[in-house]
Amino acid sequence: KQEVTQIPAALSVPEGENLVLNCSFTDSAIYNLQWFRQDPGKGLTSLLLIQSSQREQTSGRLNASLDKSSGRSTLYIAASQPGDSATYLCAVNGNNRLAFGKGNQVVVIP
Amino acid sequence: SAVISQKPSRDICQRGTSLTIQCQVDSQVTMMFWYRQQPGQSLTLIATANQGSEATYESGFVIDKFPISRPNLTFSTLTVSNMSPEDSSIYLCSVDPGLNTEAFFGQGTRLTVV
Repeated sequence: KQEVTQIPAALSVPEGENLVLNCSFTDSAIYNLQWFRQDPGKGLTSLLLIQSSQREQTSGRLNASLDKSSGRSTLYIAASQPGDSATYLCAVNGNNRLAFGKGNQVVVIP
Repeated sequence: SAVISQKPSRDICQRGTSLTIQCQVDSQVTMMFWYRQQPGQSLTLIATANQGSEATYESGFVIDKFPISRPNLTFSTLTVSNMSPEDSSIYLCSVDPGLNTEAFFGQGTRLTVV
């Protein structure tokens, strides 16, 4: 069974700092990995999708890397803003099933 | 991409009653998924719904408690039956993923059972 772990569970950073969020998974036989953002009490917004054959994916201030062999992904958010405050979820797709981590809860302090 | 409308966005219900959550997609999709997110926890898959067949439930979830309908390729409902306070969660519907495609989620239904 795929286990997904996200570290740290929660963090607070001053505005302007870069954010580094980590995701690890136990089974490297994956099709892709997806990062989501979730605001309190809301649904999930897709941020980035990395295919298993890719090493990284970028969108604006967001960059996600994937090291499938070691079972790790990292989400970088450059120059954080208060609007980046949310929970970030990592989901691993293996055989059409998504396994989620518990999330990284981020607070960006103005 | 897919746009998913989920209703209601939130509800407060009495224990012992049932609530039906609707999920409408703006395009035809083969598979739809229903998840539960308990407070402070990650998402747990309840069931997979394919049009024209019975939903497939994950371990720990049963049809009598969470009946699902999938009448066509753009719509699905999840009913939470005979609710108790332990059912208080966010319920989310999702479409895909295929082997190499992006998963999309509805806005979620925040359910509180009192």
